[in-house]
Amino acid sequence: DQQVKQNSPSLSVQEGRISILNCDYTNSMFDYFLWYKKYPAEGPTFLISISSIKDKNEDGRFTVFLNKSAKHLSLHIVPSQPGDSAVYFCAASVEYGGSQGNLIFGKGTKLSVKP
Amino acid sequence: NAGVMQNPRHLVRRRGQEARLRCSPMKGHSHVYWYRQLPEEGLKFMVYLQKENIIDESGMPKERFSAEFPKEGPSILRIQQVVRGDSAAYFCASSPDNTASSPLHFGNGTRLTVT
Repeated sequence: DQQVKQNSPSLSVQEGRISILNCDYTNSMFDYFLWYKKYPAEGPTFLISISSIKDKNEDGRFTVFLNKSAKHLSLHIVPSQPGDSAVYFCAASVEYGGSQGNLIFGKGTKLSVKP
Repeated sequence: NAGVMQNPRHLVRRRGQEARLRCSPMKGHSHVYWYRQLPEEGLKFMVYLQKENIIDESGMPKERFSAEFPKEGPSILRIQQVVRGDSAAYFCASSPDNTASSPLHFGNGTRLTVT
């Protein structure tokens, strides 16, 4: 029973265009959401996060949008660059005792940015 | 400025042997988390430890798996009597505290192959 779903296993985008990665969740108790980026043979690297009290968070070329009523979040990358090619994981957590360590990950979306 | 260090990077074990995976957290981090990634899957939480204490082991199989984070030295994930289904990438992560503003920093993982 997947609580965090990334329904697109892969996405291909032209360099300079916008990449939109989507993520849906089922547990309404989730109150903190993160995006991680992963290159082959490396560990995930934190990209950006958003608390459930917000609906948007922006950091440079990366923006995360949260729609709580739809239980949906998305990551926008603009403009996309070839170096952005990686697997992107959406993760969610329920804050218990202040810990964010028990993250529930989606299966990932492989982004390919073509020059 | 070393990140999270995991060793070995690759580990091959025959069925029935023991596997020991080590993780040294980032300097100044006292919170350690272990995750497992099966092929084509997202990362699954296994256990969360602070120095000398297991805080949450809800994701760890009840048998054959154990974890520790001693006062001195790295955190160890131990798998006894390995089976083929244990073949996966095991990632360790650390954080300086357990607040939402401190995202996890992951190591590059240990790839365990059970033959």
